[in-house]
Amino acid sequence: DAGVIQSPRHEVTEMGQEVTLRCKPISGHDYLFWYRQTMMRGLELLIYFNNNVPIDDSGMPEDRFSAKMPNASFSTLKIQPSEPRDSAVYFCASSIPLGTDTQYFGPGTRLTVL
Amino acid sequence: KNEVEQSPQNLTAQEGEFITINCSYSVGISALHWLQQHPGGGIVSLFMLSSGKKKHGRLIATINIQEKHSSLHITASHPRDSAVYICAAYRQGAQKLVFGQGTRLTINP
Repeated sequence: DAGVIQSPRHEVTEMGQEVTLRCKPISGHDYLFWYRQTMMRGLELLIYFNNNVPIDDSGMPEDRFSAKMPNASFSTLKIQPSEPRDSAVYFCASSIPLGTDTQYFGPGTRLTVL
Repeated sequence: KNEVEQSPQNLTAQEGEFITINCSYSVGISALHWLQQHPGGGIVSLFMLSSGKKKHGRLIATINIQEKHSSLHITASHPRDSAVYICAAYRQGAQKLVFGQGTRLTINP
């Protein structure tokens, strides 16, 4: 298996633009997690899905952020409009049906908002 | 106070030394993760444990549920062990992780 796949790996955009980050979880994994990592706050959970259904989005910072999982093999995290403080590395992770098991992380998307 | 605290925040050692990184948590947990993040940024799960001890190669993780404390040990440390080590806990009844701030480990040759 190729592991968790994220795209793009790097994204540079200007303030006010829409940004879409993509994630393909490991096949057979029913849980998908979106994290954000910054120097100031470390790793934070934004939202997670179980069987394509959002379970907990309490970590989503504000309405500018939205996440979808239209099927078991694809998820998106969208920021509209983007702001410089959204600059961070965004990780996607997936795990097997028992959610409290090992999580497998993607390589991350480094987002820079100018 | 963070729910998951790690110490030390930074650790520099010489190759071959025995390394210990500590993690304390203040909430009831169902399991605890140790993660490794290399300078390139990738995150790898090293261990997940809910009791006792696990060993993988030169890495050993222990957890004491009563004391709400976990340790990650590295024996015969090597420069390639240089990375950030992150402790993360699953709160009881929840599926999401709460992260410590990480320990930056540097092993000098």
